[in-house]
Amino acid sequence: TQLLEQSPQFLSIQEGENLTVYCNSSSVFSSLQWYRQEPGEGPVLLVTVVTGGEVKKLKRLTFQFGDARKDSSLHITAAQTGDTGLYLCAGGIAKFYFGSGTKLNVKP
Amino acid sequence: EADIYQTPRYLVIGTGKKITLECSQTMGHDKMYWYQQDPGMELHLIHYSYGVNSTEKGDLSSESTVSRIRTEHFPLTLESARPSHTSQYLCASGPRTGADTQYFGPGTRLTVL
Repeated sequence: TQLLEQSPQFLSIQEGENLTVYCNSSSVFSSLQWYRQEPGEGPVLLVTVVTGGEVKKLKRLTFQFGDARKDSSLHITAAQTGDTGLYLCAGGIAKFYFGSGTKLNVKP
Repeated sequence: EADIYQTPRYLVIGTGKKITLECSQTMGHDKMYWYQQDPGMELHLIHYSYGVNSTEKGDLSSESTVSRIRTEHFPLTLESARPSHTSQYLCASGPRTGADTQYFGPGTRLTVL
């Protein structure tokens, strides 16, 4: 059983569409991180959210940390082919945990 | 953006060989990690270190060993490689204090024939 559950597992959309991916847990995290990973490369940190209810924007990406600090979401507006990749959420409780990821494919 | 380096990026070797995967970071981070990941799959923690002379095994059992003699350097060694070791190996580092954030290297893609 994963401590961090990500959904959907796979997502294939057309360029220009909007999408939201989710990261859920029954545990409270002091912070959550989102990463994007491209094939053959290491994950790249996108954002860290620390405060319950926090919203952070990174260009077309909007990240939200749940009020209870048990979940987070990533919303992408007007997806582009360059957004294709594996999106991972991660957080620490005594030790560090990664979700299993959402594989996003944006088609031209 | 953290500077963390891994060499080699790609390695193809025969069964039974001893190999060392190198990982170095220039950020002065105390915490360093090794993960194993098959393509497109989840990351599995195999080793971590919270400082010099401190190493611990992670969640995934691994036949590899690590050392942390210097803050910036965290090499991983396989004494006798086997085809089951074929995978992507990712090194990461992070600061001791603040949000528990990790910065990753580009990875080493290992293939054991």
